[in-house]
Amino acid sequence: GAVVSQHPSRVICKSGTSVKIECRSLDFQATTMFWYRQFPKKSLMLMATSNEGSKATYEQGVEKDKFLINHASLTLSTLTVTSAHPEDSSFYICSARDGRNEKLFFGSGTQLSVL
Amino acid sequence: AQKITQTQPGMFVQEKEAVTLDCTYDTSDPSYGLFWYKQPSSGEMIFLIYQGSYDQQNATEGRYSLNFQKARKSANLVISASQLGDSAMYFCAMRGRNRDDKIIFGKGTRLHILP
Repeated sequence: GAVVSQHPSRVICKSGTSVKIECRSLDFQATTMFWYRQFPKKSLMLMATSNEGSKATYEQGVEKDKFLINHASLTLSTLTVTSAHPEDSSFYICSARDGRNEKLFFGSGTQLSVL
Repeated sequence: AQKITQTQPGMFVQEKEAVTLDCTYDTSDPSYGLFWYKQPSSGEMIFLIYQGSYDQQNATEGRYSLNFQKARKSANLVISASQLGDSAMYFCAMRGRNRDDKIIFGKGTRLHILP
């Protein structure tokens, strides 16, 4: 089946640094990718919708200057957490829609810990 | 606005029994899609099944079936012959009328299969 690769799986960084997370569809083209945030034992909260070649659409309450999203190609979207703070510590997970069907495939997630 | 409700925070089921996970939804869109995902402790999101609002038949995928009752706005997941490996968090999700519309998730149900 279709696969979405997300890297890194885990990152620990100091407060104030920026962290980039990559989401790549390996065997299909994804015109739309989604970025979610998940707190422990909670549901997935949509942060933004990323469309190839255009600006991302952010959900209410999500700072676009804090969470930079770049969807440079049909197979790659990146999320950069800028000037990370401890409250940004969370599980971030991306997903990509396979344009051939209705299925939405997820990356394996990135556990971000900001010290 | 769209809303997904999962009222069972946790369930315990004996191995080999069938399981029904509840999901109700609310939307004003005439066309929409419903999904179920499984999230094991590893964090990855595994696509299980999809139901389109205009599909005439209930979706089935192996041991998974979706009991779609449009008038009641419910989309319950049925797992037949449960296995120990089915222990995980299960999320019901919905997207709007367009295929690239964002997908929102319910709060999830944690399923425990007992040996």
